[in-house]
Amino acid sequence: ETGVTQSPTHLIKTRGQQVTLRCSSQSGHNTVSWYQQALGQGPQFIFQYYREEENGRGNFPPRFSGLQFPNYSSELNVNALELDDSALYLCASSLVGTTQETQYFGPGTRLLVL
Amino acid sequence: DAKTTQPPSMDCAEGRAANLPCNHSTISGNEYVYWYRQIHSQGPQYIIHGLKNNETNEMASLIITEDRKSSTLILPHATLRDTAVYYCIVRVKKYNNNDMRFGAGTRLTVKP
Repeated sequence: ETGVTQSPTHLIKTRGQQVTLRCSSQSGHNTVSWYQQALGQGPQFIFQYYREEENGRGNFPPRFSGLQFPNYSSELNVNALELDDSALYLCASSLVGTTQETQYFGPGTRLLVL
Repeated sequence: DAKTTQPPSMDCAEGRAANLPCNHSTISGNEYVYWYRQIHSQGPQYIIHGLKNNETNEMASLIITEDRKSSTLILPHATLRDTAVYYCIVRVKKYNNNDMRFGAGTRLTVKP
C-alpha cells in the first residue's frame, strides 16, 4: 500500500460527456502526476501538479485538465470524451524538492467510454 | 530523457533468481535508472533506483554497468507473486519536474 488513493475505481461514460477523477496523495507529498494507460501499453504521462499549478505536460490535448488543492489532492478532468479515452488512469504522488522524489502510484481508475 | 530497451517477455522458475535486463545506451550523466513493476490491473509499484552504484533493498538488487549503458534488475528468489510487467525508466531528477516516461516493459512470468 502506497497511501495514494483514487476514486472512483471504475466509471462508464458515453462519448461527448465530461468526467472528473480524484486522487489523494500520500501523506507528506506535495506533487501529483497523472498518467493514462491504454490496454496493453505502458502508462503515458499526462501532466503534473506542484503547488497547485500545472508543472509539465505530456502530449495530451487541452480537454485534459486538472487541479491541485491546498491539501495536495488532485482532480483530472476530461471534457468531450472520446472512445479512445477508455483507459486506466493512474495518479502518482511524490515529494519534489528533496532527495526523495520517487513517485508512488495509486490503484487507478478504469474509465470506459461507450 | 533517454530511451530504454527491454525484452518483451521472460520466464523464470519459482525459487530461482530472475534477471531482467535493460539497455539505456544514450543515458546522460545525471539520469537515474528506475524500476517499477505492475501486477495485472494494479498501479505500478516502485522497486528500486540508482545512479551509478549497485543498489539493493528488500525487494531486489540493481546492477548498473560501469559505462551505465545497461542495467539488470535481480529478484533473488522469484515467487509466483512476482509475475508482472517490469518497467525500466531513465530520468533526470529535476527540481519541479518529476515526470517519468514508461516504455512497454518486460512481462515476467514466474512458473512453478
